[in-house]
Amino acid sequence: EAQVTQNPRYLITVTGKKLTVTCSQNMNHEYMSWYRQDPGLGLRQIYYSMNVEVTDKGDVPEGYKVSRKEKRNFPLILESPSPNQTSLYFCASSTILPGERGYNEQFFGPGTRLTVL
Amino acid sequence: TQLLEQSPQFLSIQEGENLTVYCNSSSVFSSLQWYRQEPGEGPVLLVTVVTGGEVKKLKRLTFQFGDARKDSSLHITAAQPGDTGLYLCAGEAAGTALIFGKGTTLSVSS
Repeated sequence: EAQVTQNPRYLITVTGKKLTVTCSQNMNHEYMSWYRQDPGLGLRQIYYSMNVEVTDKGDVPEGYKVSRKEKRNFPLILESPSPNQTSLYFCASSTILPGERGYNEQFFGPGTRLTVL
Repeated sequence: TQLLEQSPQFLSIQEGENLTVYCNSSSVFSSLQWYRQEPGEGPVLLVTVVTGGEVKKLKRLTFQFGDARKDSSLHITAAQPGDTGLYLCAGEAAGTALIFGKGTTLSVSS
């Protein structure tokens, strides 16, 4: 089954304790991205990756890191989480790169609800 | 900065009613997508519209792309409780990442 998986689905942590949210897709998609979803603000892109070893900042990258060592995996790293990073996080992948002609359908993971105390 | 404005933000209706959700922008998009998100899940693509003036139907859902490709609407006929969820529009412009609206939360009660 074609899917994007995220782990963990729920996480409660404390300020300053480093954490990693994993994301994996089995569709051989080149483009992967991370979003956070907050009430009243909608989906905002944190980071994205066009291909292995190619990553770039989205709209709200502060406080986050990513890596793309393998095509299928795109982990999101919070080196020193703070309460304002409490949010619902989604990983997404797509076969079409931004700017290319085509339907840039995003396949989303199930989400990770993060609470930073 | 490209923005997509969705309205209304919240909609609470009775089963059987019709409704329309709007997605507006001052920017031109090469395509526009509609997603639906249910609680505890990620958004799932419903439809993509590409041509100005295009109308697509998905059962009781009708999607329209404006002639100038700056706006879109989603019309639901005879809404059912199963239509409850968050509806998101997303615009694709050349050379940019997908831009999402803030969403419309629809609640359909029986």
